[in-house]
Amino acid sequence: GAGVSQSPSNKVTEKGKDVELRCDPISGHTALYWYRQSLGQGLEFLIYFQGNSAPDKSGLPSDRFSAERTGGSVSTLTIQRTQQEDSAVYLCASSTGTGAYEQYFGPGTRLTVT
Amino acid sequence: GDSVTQMEGPVTLSEEAFLTINCTYTATGYPSLFWYVQYPGEGLQLLLKATKADDKGSNKGFEATYRKETTSFHLEKGSVQVSDSAVYFCALSVYNFNKFYFGSGTKLNVKP
Repeated sequence: GAGVSQSPSNKVTEKGKDVELRCDPISGHTALYWYRQSLGQGLEFLIYFQGNSAPDKSGLPSDRFSAERTGGSVSTLTIQRTQQEDSAVYLCASSTGTGAYEQYFGPGTRLTVT
Repeated sequence: GDSVTQMEGPVTLSEEAFLTINCTYTATGYPSLFWYVQYPGEGLQLLLKATKADDKGSNKGFEATYRKETTSFHLEKGSVQVSDSAVYFCALSVYNFNKFYFGSGTKLNVKP
């Protein structure tokens, strides 16, 4: 079956512009995660959705970052007024539920802010 | 705060050598521990996991034991293959799995 998909695969934007990154999880997966991977660094946890709800948004780096999930499926990560330090690969993962379930990762969106 | 520290790479080994990648953690409460692997050109995938102290996770010849006394979850394999060349990430989850923490990754190169 289809895995986690993300779009766009690459995004180049000018500093100060807003960007939207999309994640389509595996059908039926109730949990969805967003991570950021900066060059040479590990994965930074951003936010987690159970259904359409995000119990804890404290992982988002600043108030320029927001995320939503609709219909228990597609999720959008929005970065407003992008800065150069936002340049990174943004990864999405989904799993069948909360707990120690395997997360299935998408291919990521590479964001470059010029 | 909660965190994961893993040995820096790259690690270069010859085929059939013994592998250890060290991972230590700091966590409040009782975390679950994971190893994820990213093969060249592919996305991250779960390699193994352990959810309580003294549990051993194993998969594809890899093993890791959850050691609460040393706060460690070291990854081992007795005989590596060229196909094991990848980046390995140690991770933990706390607070009812609302948050995950990943290490910085260790790149493994296995030479024939």
